[in-house]
Amino acid sequence: GAGVSQSPSNKVTEKGKDVELRCDPISGHTALYWYRQSLGQGLEFLIYFQGNSAPDKSGLPSDRFSAERTGGSVSTLTIQRTQQEDSAVYLCASSLLAGSYEQYFGPGTRLTVT
Amino acid sequence: QKEVEQDPGPLSVPEGAIVSLNCTYSNSAFQYFMWYRQYSRKGPELLMYTYSSGNKEDGRFTAQVDKSSKYISLFIRDSQPSDSATYLCAMVFGNQFYFGTGTSLTVIP
Repeated sequence: GAGVSQSPSNKVTEKGKDVELRCDPISGHTALYWYRQSLGQGLEFLIYFQGNSAPDKSGLPSDRFSAERTGGSVSTLTIQRTQQEDSAVYLCASSLLAGSYEQYFGPGTRLTVT
Repeated sequence: QKEVEQDPGPLSVPEGAIVSLNCTYSNSAFQYFMWYRQYSRKGPELLMYTYSSGNKEDGRFTAQVDKSSKYISLFIRDSQPSDSATYLCAMVFGNQFYFGTGTSLTVIP
């Protein structure tokens, strides 16, 4: 079966522009996580969705970041007015249930803000 | 202090060596302990998990957890060049995962 997919794989944008990153989780997985991975910083939790419950947005670094999940499946992470410090790899992961140790990661979107 | 501390390395070993990777943590409420392997420009993949103190073995890999010391380890026996990757430890509390920064490992043929 298909794994977690993310698009685009690479994105270069100018400072101040908005970007949208897409994640397609594994079919049937109710939990979806977004992380940011910067060099030497490890994975930084951003937000997670569990079924129809309100998302946990506690990891979003600023109000320029937002995410939505439509129909309990595809998710979009939006970064408004991008800054150079937003440059990182954005990873999406899904699991059958939130808190399940078996998270499956997508390949990530490498964002570069110039 | 970070929730999870991991030596970033890099670590370079000859093929066949035993590799020891370690993490320490501060939150005694962590419930699950995992090790992920991440190849360059790929997403992390789950290698092993455990939820109790002690050892868990899977082929050449052994995960060890010492809750009293808040210390976890991953041992790789008979290391192979294909083991060259970044290894991340991770811990779960509630619905959130806490990751180490990763240790970069190179196994030299």
